[in-house]
Amino acid sequence: NAGVTQTPKFRILKIGQSMTLQCTQDMNHNYMYWYRQDPGMGLKLIYYSVGAGITDKGEVPNGYNVSRSTTEDFPLRLELAAPSQTSVYFCASSLQGGTNTGELFFGEGSRLTVL
Amino acid sequence: AQSVTQLDSHVSVSEGTPVLLRCNYSSSYSPSLFWYVQHPNKGLQLLLKYTSAATLVKGINGFEAEFKKSETSFHLTKPSAHMSDAAEYFCVVSDLVKAAGNKLTFGGGTRVLVKP
Repeated sequence: NAGVTQTPKFRILKIGQSMTLQCTQDMNHNYMYWYRQDPGMGLKLIYYSVGAGITDKGEVPNGYNVSRSTTEDFPLRLELAAPSQTSVYFCASSLQGGTNTGELFFGEGSRLTVL
Repeated sequence: AQSVTQLDSHVSVSEGTPVLLRCNYSSSYSPSLFWYVQHPNKGLQLLLKYTSAATLVKGINGFEAEFKKSETSFHLTKPSAHMSDAAEYFCVVSDLVKAAGNKLTFGGGTRVLVKP
C-alpha cells in the first residue's frame, strides 16, 4: 500500500522559476493538505481540499496555487519562486474532518531550495 | 483561537531512561490533541491521540500521554528510551467544532537525541 506519494523529493530552483510538486494518495481519502515545515516552526498549512473540485486557503497560501481534479491527486504549484519558499513541503490526506480531525497520513516530503 | 507550545526544542536522554516531552495548549473549545513523530527524512506518523475519552492515552512504541485540563497540558512519556526513538516529535491541537477542513495547529517540535 503506497499511501501518500510525493515527487520530487529534492529540487533546486532559481528565483522566478516555477514548478509543481506532485502528490497522490491511494487510500480514497477525501481530504488532502499541503504543509510547509520550517525549522522550529512546526508545520504551517498552505492549502487544503475537502474533495475533488474544492480547495481552500490555509494559513500561508501566498505564492502558491493548488488544484484538485481527482480524489487521488493534489498538486501544489509555485509560480514565481522566491527564497522565502525554501522549505520542506509535506502532502497529507485524511478520511474526513469532524471527529477524525487530526489523523493525517503524510508523504515523505519534498525539500525545495530557491537560490 | 488555538495554540500549542512545546516547552523543549531539544531533549537528550540515555538509552533505557525515561523520556518526557512537554506540551501545553490553548483552545477555545474542547480540543483534540495529538502527538506525531517524524523520523529523519520521513513524513510525520501519528503516535497517539486524545479526543475527550480516557485522559491517559496509550500510543504506539510504548508511548503514552496524559490530558490534564486544569494544567492545559498533554505531556508525552515513555518509561524506557530506545535508540529508535531518536526523532522529532510534534504536539498538535485541533478544534473539534470546525468540521469543514482540518484546522490543526502544530507545536514547534522537540528533537529527541538518545545516547547509547
